[in-house]
Amino acid sequence: GAGVSQTPSNKVTEKGKYVELRCDPISGHTALYWYRQSLGQGPEFLIYFQGTGAADDSGLPNDRFFAVRPEGSVSTLKIQRTERGDSAVYLCASSLQKPPDTQYFGPGTRLTVL
Amino acid sequence: DAKTTQPTSMDCAEGRAANLPCNHSTISGNEYVYWYRQIHSQGPQYIIHGLKNNETNEMASLIITEDRKSSTLILPHATLRDTAVYYCIAEAEYGNKLVFGAGTILRVKS
Repeated sequence: GAGVSQTPSNKVTEKGKYVELRCDPISGHTALYWYRQSLGQGPEFLIYFQGTGAADDSGLPNDRFFAVRPEGSVSTLKIQRTERGDSAVYLCASSLQKPPDTQYFGPGTRLTVL
Repeated sequence: DAKTTQPTSMDCAEGRAANLPCNHSTISGNEYVYWYRQIHSQGPQYIIHGLKNNETNEMASLIITEDRKSSTLILPHATLRDTAVYYCIAEAEYGNKLVFGAGTILRVKS
């Protein structure tokens, strides 16, 4: 079956712009996660959704970052006033049940802020 | 979540077993040991997890010491496609997230 998909695969933007990154989880998966991975480092947790609600947003670095999952399926990560330090690969994962169920990752969106 | 320690890199000959160690000396009783790997330019991929007992699946075996302070991931017959970064993670039973370290870069060589 289809895995987790993320769009776009690459996004180049200018400092100060607004970006949206989309994640389509595996059908039927109730839990959805966003991670961020900088070059040479392991992924870093950002936020976790159970259904439509953000159950844990402790990893969001500041209030420029926001994520939604209005219908409990597709999720959008939104970054306002982007900064060069936001450049990274943004990974989305989903799991069938609540944590600590196995997480299935998408290929990521590479964000470059010029 | 308990901190894990892994070697920075390892080499393995193709066709031989790859044994990847992980130390998690501060692991608590309700924390599972998870292994994921990340092949270049892809998202992490689940391999295996365990709590106390050794586990085996079609990808690998996981050996956890009796005191649970360390574990070893075994790829029984490594292939070139197993070249990746391997992450060992200790995740609480009711944890909400995976806490990745730097992982071990495994290079399988022909």
